[in-house]
Amino acid sequence: GAGVSQTPSNKVTEKGKYVELRCDPISGHTALYWYRQSLGQGPEFLIYFQGTGAADDSGLPNDRFFAVRPEGSVSTLKIQRTERGDSAVYLCASSLGGFANYGYTFGSGTRLTVV
Amino acid sequence: DAKTTQPNSMESNEEEPVHLPCNHSTISGTDYIHWYRQLPSQGPEYVIHGLTSNVNNRMASLAIAEDRKSSTLILHRATLRDAAVYYCILRTNAGKSTFGDGTTLTVKP
Repeated sequence: GAGVSQTPSNKVTEKGKYVELRCDPISGHTALYWYRQSLGQGPEFLIYFQGTGAADDSGLPNDRFFAVRPEGSVSTLKIQRTERGDSAVYLCASSLGGFANYGYTFGSGTRLTVV
Repeated sequence: DAKTTQPNSMESNEEEPVHLPCNHSTISGTDYIHWYRQLPSQGPEYVIHGLTSNVNNRMASLAIAEDRKSSTLILHRATLRDAAVYYCILRTNAGKSTFGDGTTLTVKP
């Protein structure tokens, strides 16, 4: 597709359950980013992939959060034992590369609600 | 991480120019200044970016101070569709960027 696709667009889950959020970046974009956004705040960095490897995972809040990008394209953000505080919009962005001269293209996000 | 500072909110009248300021006093020599805007229920959308020189595109202009410690996004004629949250960020070669809370632009008809 022409843009970054995120599925599902909305996810409601019970506290303690496991969830997976998927991101399909723009074809050819080697860099992929996950951000999390709470209401009224700017996006908060979670993890950055360059190709298949996580180049920077310093934003992952704890070990319940994990992300993969096995073939250097689609990425999955995985959250174990979800908590109510995990409720937020999870945004994925891709970029032609990791260099500062390249802009991000964001998806529309997955709204996660933990009840 | 390099941080930016923006006013929480600004107002403009429709069809008038809007100047959105951003301070980034800790910018380093290789950091690019990027601007994004976000409409409700959408992800941020790229607007413009630059390094040292002023930049123009079909959406906006970016004016960068000579010392690079501040920049201004210029919307030449605001429309109601320009009402959004505008984020100024520093993009580094290290990959990640830090977003602040942005400036909420209200456009009055």
